[in-house]
Amino acid sequence: DSGVTQTPKHLITATGQRVTLRCSPRSGDLSVYWYQQSLDQGLQFLIQYYNGEERAKGNILERFSAQQFPDLHSELNLSSLELGDSALYFCASSPSDRGRSYGYTFGSGTRLTVV
Amino acid sequence: AQTVTQSQPEMSVQEAETVTLSCTYDTSESDYYLFWYKQPPSRQMILVIRQEAYKQQNATENRFSVNFQKAAKSFSLKISDSQLGDAAMYFCALIQGAQKLVFGQGTRLTINP
Repeated sequence: DSGVTQTPKHLITATGQRVTLRCSPRSGDLSVYWYQQSLDQGLQFLIQYYNGEERAKGNILERFSAQQFPDLHSELNLSSLELGDSALYFCASSPSDRGRSYGYTFGSGTRLTVV
Repeated sequence: AQTVTQSQPEMSVQEAETVTLSCTYDTSESDYYLFWYKQPPSRQMILVIRQEAYKQQNATENRFSVNFQKAAKSFSLKISDSQLGDAAMYFCALIQGAQKLVFGQGTRLTINP
């Protein structure tokens, strides 16, 4: 157990629908990162939150949005889903000042299948 | 911009042998950190080893070691005495400055019994 909790583990939904993925960071970590991993591909950075505020955006579609709540958990919202959105979505967390040097701690991911 | 390249999509090795996975990177910074992550069939991302760019000494973690060539911007991973449990996708990754962790495309490692 890495300490980063993601729910649900699996999600199957239809095209055009909206889903919410949830992440609880490791205790004490203030930064949350979302990554997308398509089939047999590397991880693509989507967005980062630090202590409730958006810090950086990567290749995140306009149909996707995220937020981090006062208790530091984060949610990634995916709307108007398309078949190509099917992927493994990872959440990762890091301490406020040491993530850069110690890397991130990853959750076990949410497998999203759009049918 | 920072980029990470893994030129070997797949590698295989006999159990108990040694294998080296290659990684090259590009960065404009002098202060950065390099990582190898392992992703077994469970899909969990597991940190294997890390290297600070300012340290000349190569990092080691038990059977895992790196060959860090800063001038050549090369960061290879050596796995000694390969075990069946080492079978996984291995990702090289880089952080520079305030940027985010950037991953290579991965190398799928197969261990032959």
